[in-house]
Amino acid sequence: GNSVTQMEGPVTLSEEAFLTINCTYTATGYPSLFWYVQYPGEGLQLLLKATKADDKGSNKGFEATYRKETTSFHLEKGSVQVSDSAVYFCALWAGGTSYGKLTFGQGTILTVHP
Amino acid sequence: DTGVSQDPRHKITKRGQNVTFRCDPISEHNRLYWYRQTLGQGPEFLTYFQNEAQLEKSRLLSDRFSAERPKGSFSTLEIQHTEQGDSAMYLCASSLGQGKSPLHFGNGTRLTVT
Repeated sequence: GNSVTQMEGPVTLSEEAFLTINCTYTATGYPSLFWYVQYPGEGLQLLLKATKADDKGSNKGFEATYRKETTSFHLEKGSVQVSDSAVYFCALWAGGTSYGKLTFGQGTILTVHP
Repeated sequence: DTGVSQDPRHKITKRGQNVTFRCDPISEHNRLYWYRQTLGQGPEFLTYFQNEAQLEKSRLLSDRFSAERPKGSFSTLEIQHTEQGDSAMYLCASSLGQGKSPLHFGNGTRLTVT
């Protein structure tokens, strides 16, 4: 079946540090890949996506590149801010009739200190 | 765009009782999804609707669970004879259902079964 594995958290960084959150996946075919973010007290929001191999998704200074050879979609940001503190979820869509039927990873809690 | 609205935000119930949650999607969205998220895990797909038709149900959706979207607008999720294992955050999401439209999530309903 399809699955998504994220690096264990929580991740604690100082402001302006470099961020990497690892995500690997297992899926048949050519899935679309997503990063969602959940700020405290809020619903999940789409952060970025990539729909085919070698695509790079980017938003708000975050980037992730769809690597088919390593089945990975690692999230990176060059300089984190306190406001980036949130839970980050990697997810995939494995095809089919509903683009909204996603498989999520377990989430990684990020805390950024001033 | 008022976003996806879920009610109630929190529900505490005793084992064996029935509960019902409501989701109001973004008004022009014709697809509606229910997910369940347990502590420390990512969301898991439960079911989805295209307009009023329920098109797919996960194996996670036992016979005690029923979802409806009678007029293709709001949806309800009912759990009968609740069990402690039903304690979770229940998330609703909606999308335009055109091609690869992104999901918009509500803030969820947190259910605690005592």
